[in-house]
Amino acid sequence: GQSLEQPSEVTAVEGAIVQINCTYQTSGFYGLSWYQQHDGGAPTFLSYNALDGLEETGRFSSFLSRSDSYGYLLLQELQMKDSASYFCAVRFSRAGGSYIPTFGRGTSLIVHP
Amino acid sequence: DAGVIQSPRHEVTEMGQEVTLRCKPISGHNSLFWYRQTMMRGLELLIYFNNNVPIDDSGMPEDRFSAKMPNASFSTLKIQPSEPRDSAVYFCASSLGPMVQENEQFFGPGTRLTVL
Repeated sequence: GQSLEQPSEVTAVEGAIVQINCTYQTSGFYGLSWYQQHDGGAPTFLSYNALDGLEETGRFSSFLSRSDSYGYLLLQELQMKDSASYFCAVRFSRAGGSYIPTFGRGTSLIVHP
Repeated sequence: DAGVIQSPRHEVTEMGQEVTLRCKPISGHNSLFWYRQTMMRGLELLIYFNNNVPIDDSGMPEDRFSAKMPNASFSTLKIQPSEPRDSAVYFCASSLGPMVQENEQFFGPGTRLTVL
């Protein structure tokens, strides 16, 4: 089956750097995505890694190691508005050629002043 | 573009009633997803359409749930009869296509369903 593991909660102070890890077990892996969701809101796309290495988008970076079935989201210069839930998601292939998205349970990031 | 549109935003109903949730994907997007989010189970994929055709419905919990996509700009998720355990936030999302490089999903605001 498919499974993703990420910490349930992470806390940090404003201005700091925080890393949210995600490990996965899936067959037919086709990339790792990250989404942000504020309380009462909808998930919004942050990043996608198909290949090993680091992808940087402003204050956010995402890393993937396919050999380790592991990735992380790095948030720098934390701001209060970064307090939200962060989900890793993978797409895996099912027989018939469809690519099925599966989300982790989410990590609640709490940023303190 | 207005983004993914869902209606209603909130629905309160009584057990046994039929509930219909609606979704309009972003114009030009060929893939549409229905998700359910609860504290207990997280964000679960219910069903996934590509070019209006259901591709994977293995996440649909039981026969009480059905989904349709009669055209590229409209989809419905129906629960009949509804039960209290169906209470959740239901999200619709769309993406350009099914290929992994067309990966980014755009989520609607969700429908918060409460079944009493």
